[in-house]
Amino acid sequence: EDQVTQSPEALRLQEGESSSLNCSYTVSGLRGLFWYRQDPGKGPEFLFTLYSAGEEKEKERLKATLTKKESFLHITAPKPEDSATYLCAVQRQTGANNLFFGTGTRLTVIP
Amino acid sequence: NAGVTQTPKFQVLKTGQSMTLQCAQDMNHNSMYWYRQDPGMGLRLIYYSASEGTTDKGEVPNGYNVSRLNKREFSLRLESAAPSQTSVYFCASSSRTGNNSPLHFGNGTRLTVT
Repeated sequence: EDQVTQSPEALRLQEGESSSLNCSYTVSGLRGLFWYRQDPGKGPEFLFTLYSAGEEKEKERLKATLTKKESFLHITAPKPEDSATYLCAVQRQTGANNLFFGTGTRLTVIP
Repeated sequence: NAGVTQTPKFQVLKTGQSMTLQCAQDMNHNSMYWYRQDPGMGLRLIYYSASEGTTDKGEVPNGYNVSRLNKREFSLRLESAAPSQTSVYFCASSSRTGNNSPLHFGNGTRLTVT
């Protein structure tokens, strides 16, 4: 069964304290893995797509990595404006209805 | 750049009432989607439209209907609202369905059914 699990559910960091968010997945043939950021009261905003194990993508203080079983979103020296919920989604190779979302990690960065 | 626009932003319904949620995108995307988001659960697909003129059921279609009015607009209708439909509803679009095109989301409609 296709499944996406994100951990931790919530994470509180001091400003400047680097950490990582985890997205573990099981899917019958991965087409792609997506990371989104969601601010309170807003819709998810696309961050990255990763396609194959070993791939990395970076944007400002965020770096996403991918293995065959999980993805990490590394946050380096976070700022309060990085506070948000980060969602992971995996897309299976087959089928049109083939995108599965995790429940997210709620990140709070304290000044 | 408006992107994906949803109306209304908030709505309160009584059980049994009906309503239509509206969604429009200005990115010339072929595919459009309706999701619901509930606490402790991932986004769940209600219905999607791979291209103008087609619609298909997602994971949780019961109690909903959709209409792809044209390439830009995709509406979601609740014919007889139930408390279990209290949720935040997101419309999204992408250039194509099933490939690696990322979804672009609207800012949601927060629906409460009493």
